[in-house]
Amino acid sequence: AQKITQTQPGMFVQEKEAVTLDCTYDTSDQSYGLFWYKQPSSGEMIFLIYQGSYDEQNATEGRYSLNFQKARKSANLVISASQLGDSAMYFCAMREGGSGYSTLTFGKGTMLLVSP
Amino acid sequence: DSGVTQTPKHLITATGQRVTLRCSPRSGDLSVYWYQQSLDQGLQFLIQYYNGEERAKGNILERFSAQQFPDLHSELNLSSLELGDSALYFCASDRIGSGQPQHFGDGTRLSIL
Repeated sequence: AQKITQTQPGMFVQEKEAVTLDCTYDTSDQSYGLFWYKQPSSGEMIFLIYQGSYDEQNATEGRYSLNFQKARKSANLVISASQLGDSAMYFCAMREGGSGYSTLTFGKGTMLLVSP
Repeated sequence: DSGVTQTPKHLITATGQRVTLRCSPRSGDLSVYWYQQSLDQGLQFLIQYYNGEERAKGNILERFSAQQFPDLHSELNLSSLELGDSALYFCASDRIGSGQPQHFGDGTRLSIL
């Protein structure tokens, strides 16, 4: 079974609208972390936001927020007030275990296109 | 700027050849990770080093090897290259702690002709 599932290959949104990118995960660990990365067409991978499994509040970073629903094992990324520069590939990733030594497992990504 | 430096940015070579990709982690980061990103396989973890020691192995081919040096920079060696090895190779680094994100370099785009 896939550990990280991103069911939306592509999403379209108009500038200034909010958009939600879906991510579900599969783990039997109690301690884990969830990350979102952005990959623009130039290729670099940019860290956006982190949510720990024990965090009671949803993470927020500027226009990015993570809608964390632990019981449903989902960690959706919400981008408010979309901008043209948000057009990119978005990856959800998980780190299992609490040691901080373990690696990240990535989903296949969602391509977001923001139109004027 | 993530603070992770990868060289070269682009590499074009032929089948059967050998190449070395280099990575300098962020200052203070002891862990280095290598990933391969291709259209068909997505982002695949290859190998992790922590303070010079191999920590974890992923889907790394036997033709590929890596090492981390005392100054913490890392090299990924790819040999007997095949057309299917064409991909974007990322290096990432991080610090200890489950909440610490991996910071990625800009990648090396490898094209096999």
